[in-house]
Amino acid sequence: EPEVTQTPSHQVTQMGQEVILRCVPISNHLYFYWYRQILGQKVEFLVSFYNNEISEKSEIFDDQFSVERPDGSNFTLKIRSTKLEDSAMYFCASSWEDTQYFGPGTRLTVL
Amino acid sequence: GQSLEQPSEVTAVEGAIVQINCTYQTSGFYGLSWYQQHDGGAPTFLSYNALDGLEETGRFSSFLSRSDSYGYLLLQELQMKDSASYFCAVRGGSYIPTFGRGTSLIVHP
Repeated sequence: EPEVTQTPSHQVTQMGQEVILRCVPISNHLYFYWYRQILGQKVEFLVSFYNNEISEKSEIFDDQFSVERPDGSNFTLKIRSTKLEDSAMYFCASSWEDTQYFGPGTRLTVL
Repeated sequence: GQSLEQPSEVTAVEGAIVQINCTYQTSGFYGLSWYQQHDGGAPTFLSYNALDGLEETGRFSSFLSRSDSYGYLLLQELQMKDSASYFCAVRGGSYIPTFGRGTSLIVHP
């Protein structure tokens, strides 16, 4: 069964550094998403991407964040100048229509 | 804006039936989804209701009443592996879902 994959599974970085989180969505899906989940809290929407551009973004997704689809398969989330409060699980998801399929997540730890 | 309310925790015993409720407030409505998330894992899609009524998928069923802005997830024949967090998520004015804070289901032997 096709699935969303994410790399790395765990990323540790120093405060102020830039990180790139990578995702490979399910191949025939058209919509891509990034979510964040701080430990013990709910899943929070960051951004959605369709037709090679951002279709919606939340107030969390400020200038510190950017997304890119550099080729036909990868979908990346870049976080610039990381802060301690960026430590969280970051989930990528993709969908064809109503159902979103989540990847296993990248645990980002900012020290 | 959109908001969802669901209980923070529910406990039950193996073999029992449990219902997790979700009420929502939203300016528009496309549908209500349910996701399961085990500790350290990714949310996994369980069900989606766009219309009123009951949707059944094996041991899990989901119900929606749009007039009451209310839905529930029903889990039957509970198993230990059902211990997880369950999130309702509403698609309101856009197709982007807003997640509730999750209900932690603890299944005891």
